[in-house]
Amino acid sequence: DSGVTQTPKHLITATGQRVTLRCSPRSGDLSVYWYQQSLDQGLQFLIQYYNGEERAKGNILERFSAQQFPDLHSELNLSSLELGDSALYFCASSVGFGFQGNTEAFFGQGTRLTVV
Amino acid sequence: LAKTTQPISMDSYEGQEVNITCSHNNIATNDYITWYQQFPSQGPRFIIQGYKTKVKNEVASLFIPADRKSSTLSLPRVSLSDTAVYYCLVGLAGDDKIIFGKGTRLHILP
Repeated sequence: DSGVTQTPKHLITATGQRVTLRCSPRSGDLSVYWYQQSLDQGLQFLIQYYNGEERAKGNILERFSAQQFPDLHSELNLSSLELGDSALYFCASSVGFGFQGNTEAFFGQGTRLTVV
Repeated sequence: LAKTTQPISMDSYEGQEVNITCSHNNIATNDYITWYQQFPSQGPRFIIQGYKTKVKNEVASLFIPADRKSSTLSLPRVSLSDTAVYYCLVGLAGDDKIIFGKGTRLHILP
């Protein structure tokens, strides 16, 4: 158990809908990262927050947005869903951000999103 | 971020030592080298991180030559449960992103 909790574990929704994925980081971790992993694809970095502020953006679509709340949990909002958005969405957390020396990122078990 | 190149896939047998090499020719002075392991449908798991020479923990060893343009992850006496994708990452201390490449798909045979 990494200590990072993601809910829900599975989500099935229709095209055009909007969903929210939730991530609770490890206790004490200030950074939260979101990744998308499609079938047989690598991990695509979406966005990163540190202590409530956006720190870095990857290839995140305009239909997607995220935020980190004062209690440090984070939510990833996906709207106007398309079939191609079906993927595993992972959240990770770390004490600092990026590769600060011995920074280690801990990943949750992911949310499997299926758009039908 | 320094670009990394790893073999797409490797096969080995139980009980063997497996070495996965990663090339990172344009690594910067302050970059660290980090390896993650990912099982199907699970989040990646940190294995080991190093800056230079050799690092060892209870799971693996990481060898980094003096020029730091490559690194080798060594897994001693692998078992079937080591079948996974292994990612080599090179990043700048203080950089905000943690970017994964394609990784190496390691398949352990009985």
